[in-house]
Amino acid sequence: DAKTTQPPSMDCAEGRAANLPCNHSTISGNEYVYWYRQIHSQGPQYIIHGLKNNETNEMASLIITEDRKSSTLILPHATLRDTAVYYCIVRVRLDQGGKLIFGQGTELSVKP
Amino acid sequence: EAGVVQSPRYKIIEKKQPVAFWCNPISGHNTLYWYLQNLGQGPELLIRYENEEAVDDSQLPKDRFSAERLKGVDSTLKIQPAELGDSAVYLCASSLASGYEQYFGPGTRLTVT
Repeated sequence: DAKTTQPPSMDCAEGRAANLPCNHSTISGNEYVYWYRQIHSQGPQYIIHGLKNNETNEMASLIITEDRKSSTLILPHATLRDTAVYYCIVRVRLDQGGKLIFGQGTELSVKP
Repeated sequence: EAGVVQSPRYKIIEKKQPVAFWCNPISGHNTLYWYLQNLGQGPELLIRYENEEAVDDSQLPKDRFSAERLKGVDSTLKIQPAELGDSAVYLCASSLASGYEQYFGPGTRLTVT
């Protein structure tokens, strides 16, 4: 199973863009990159996922490098409510169940 | 639309006692997951159900843990007997099918004394 590496913590000023990096150098060609976040005392929340192309939704943007060995989650205008642990996950192949293997994530603190 | 419902939210028991957690997934979601989350760690999958069938229970400690999803809807996870090391948050999640986005409940925080 492909593993991911994330910085343990990051700070971001409120209103600024938060850029959360993730390395996944052993990712296979048909494995997706998923991002979830977990606000204190809540269950994880799905944010976005992608395979090769950059993706954007109402929550965030996902930039995947051309070699797919790393990605960046971008929160364009971080708010205090975005303070959470952010998990970058390489989803196990669908024919092997498609399960998510969480690491320790990045604790993002958005400060006023 | 209601999200994944779990109960209880908190449970304190003495070691060697049994405990059960209940989960009601999002309506129409065929796949149900139970995760264990230790403090400061990411969630770890315990078991995955496709409808009423447990298709991945390789990480479930079967000597003391059991789970069921009899009608393919709600599910129960049981620990008997509980040990001190079982203190953690137990999360339930559901998805339309395997590989789709998973939606998590708020979890049950278990404390074993």
